[in-house]
Amino acid sequence: AQSVTQPDIHITVSEGASLELRCNYSYGATPYLFWYVQSPGQGLQLLLKYFSGDTLVQGIKGFEAEFKRSQSSFNLRKPSVHWSDAAEYFCAVVLWNTDKLIFGTGTRLQVFP
Amino acid sequence: EPEVTQTPSHQVTQMGQEVILRCVPISNHLYFYWYRQILGQKVEFLVSFYNNEISEKSEIFDDQFSVERPDGSNFTLKIRSTKLEDSAMYFCASRSSAGGTYNEQFFGPGTRLTVL
Repeated sequence: AQSVTQPDIHITVSEGASLELRCNYSYGATPYLFWYVQSPGQGLQLLLKYFSGDTLVQGIKGFEAEFKRSQSSFNLRKPSVHWSDAAEYFCAVVLWNTDKLIFGTGTRLQVFP
Repeated sequence: EPEVTQTPSHQVTQMGQEVILRCVPISNHLYFYWYRQILGQKVEFLVSFYNNEISEKSEIFDDQFSVERPDGSNFTLKIRSTKLEDSAMYFCASRSSAGGTYNEQFFGPGTRLTVL
């Protein structure tokens, strides 16, 4: 079935450790790809996006993501996590023939000092 | 920095009552959206709106739901007769059409709707 998959429901890391959040999609054509972050009580903030071109994209707050067509993946990374990064992270796509975001189930990140 | 705003932040209503959730999109944006997130579940698309009409809607968006842009700044979501299962966080979003490319959607902080 067509979907956006975030296999990790909950991830815990120590402050200063590196982070990788996984996202896979299963659609015939490469969609537009996004990562959003939702802090407690807040709305959804865009971290970064990929439409085309360089497969490594830089975002806000020191995040980056790499698009791998062969793996249908768009994983989010950060080399050194800060306590303020604790939040829920959503991968989302927009298909070429629609204008709606299709979200993954989210990954909750917990950061220990 | 321009932002999408939503009111109220929390709405409590009785089952069967009508509610109107309000959003003020970013001023030069032309595309508007509503999404919802039931507690513990993923964010789901409800409806998109452009040029004063619905451009796309999901199966969730049945006859109980309607959207309106009553003036040049507000974008509203009305639920005519609320059900318990309508309890969720409702997010408004807007998008620019500038630059000739697809632009990202900007989200508001959400309205938490509780139906009793």
